Amino acid sequence: EAGVTQFPSHSVIEKGQTVTLRCDPISGHDNLYWYRRVMGKEIKFLLHFVKESKQDESGMPNNRFLAERTGGTYSTLKVQPAELEDSGVYFCASSQGRGLAGYNEQFFGPGTRLTVL
Amino acid sequence: AQSVTQPDIHITVSEGASLELRCNYSYGATPYLFWYVQSPGQGLQLLLKYFSGDTLVQGIKGFEAEFKRSQSSFNLRKPSVHWSDAAEYFCAVGPNGPGGKLIFGQGTELSVKP
Repeated sequence: EAGVTQFPSHSVIEKGQTVTLRCDPISGHDNLYWYRRVMGKEIKFLLHFVKESKQDESGMPNNRFLAERTGGTYSTLKVQPAELEDSGVYFCASSQGRGLAGYNEQFFGPGTRLTVL
Repeated sequence: AQSVTQPDIHITVSEGASLELRCNYSYGATPYLFWYVQSPGQGLQLLLKYFSGDTLVQGIKGFEAEFKRSQSSFNLRKPSVHWSDAAEYFCAVGPNGPGGKLIFGQGTELSVKP
């Protein structure tokens, strides 16, 4: 079974440009999460989809970030326009619906390293 | 405020030596607790988790962790480190219920000397 995949693995863009990151979750996983790690800091939650609906987007930094999950399958995270402080590693994770005792293990992708110059 | 602290940013141990990585958390309710590991070029892999019950939990790759409620700690241990354990380790907490975001510590990078 394929794991969570993310594309691209690296992206280097200039300030003011637009970048779109993609995440393909494990097939059948209803929950999809985006996290971000800025250099030297902790991994921080951005948002959570349940199927195609945004369950929690409390971690989105500002309105330059737009996340979508069309048809409840893959998800994209667009940054427009990108700023220097957006540099970091963006992780995607997915989990099944309600599991044993209500816990759903989150499976992480390898991340996309974004560098904004 | 909810937070996780990993006080050691970088640790170096000799191969075969024992290892303990520290994790302290601040959380309003009883959380779920996790340790993840990230090897270069890989995603985060779950090492072990604690929900309830026995406070000493066993994980993959010979790791274990002990939950101490009185100290709000969930330290990760391994009796004998292998060179392949060199990686970055993350402690995380999550809500005591389905789904929900994880709150991570800053990570501890482990180097292993031959």
